[in-house]
Amino acid sequence: NAGVTQTPKFRILKIGQSMTLQCTQDMNHNYMYWYRQDPGMGLKLIYYSVGAGITDKGEVPNGYNVSRSTTEDFPLRLELAAPSQTSVYFCASSYGVGNQPQHFGDGTRLSIL
Amino acid sequence: DAKTTQPNSMESNEEEPVHLPCNHSTISGTDYIHWYRQLPSQGPEYVIHGLTSNVNNRMASLAIAEDRKSSTLILHRATLRDAAVYYCILRDLDAGNMLTFGGGTRLMVKP
Repeated sequence: NAGVTQTPKFRILKIGQSMTLQCTQDMNHNYMYWYRQDPGMGLKLIYYSVGAGITDKGEVPNGYNVSRSTTEDFPLRLELAAPSQTSVYFCASSYGVGNQPQHFGDGTRLSIL
Repeated sequence: DAKTTQPNSMESNEEEPVHLPCNHSTISGTDYIHWYRQLPSQGPEYVIHGLTSNVNNRMASLAIAEDRKSSTLILHRATLRDAAVYYCILRDLDAGNMLTFGGGTRLMVKP
């Protein structure tokens, strides 16, 4: 199993551009999450989904959008990139509620100049 | 959400045990204690979790104080590959499946 796969690994955007960060998992997990991690800090939750067709905001959702049309995929959309969105983005998935561990991808490093 | 306090950094020698402390004085009865670690340039990975009793798995041991206001993650023999940031996280099952990351402890392992 590949686990959680994120693409691209690196990207540089200009201010005002848009892009989609891709995330796919092959573990048939219901729950999926997007986090961002700024330098030297812990991760912050952007959006999460408890199943196909269901999404909800996390701690820092402004400037982002998500969709969940399938169990496997959970893309994160940046519509108007701003320098404050320069960060490392991690996607994660878990089987469900309770103490099921979250499985993380290796991240997308995004710079906005 | 109940918060955790961890030292910013710790050092260890290779092949020696490491005890990583975590204080959580405002922990509630429904909070589980979870530990994740993040190796350089990777996403976090699950290490261990517990509620009241000490827990062991192939990666580490978790010792929980009797009053649950603190816990300690124990790596029995540190290797260079254990150099990472270790996060102690309280997880309230009544509040869903979220993880709230603090700053963690950066563990450096010397050969």
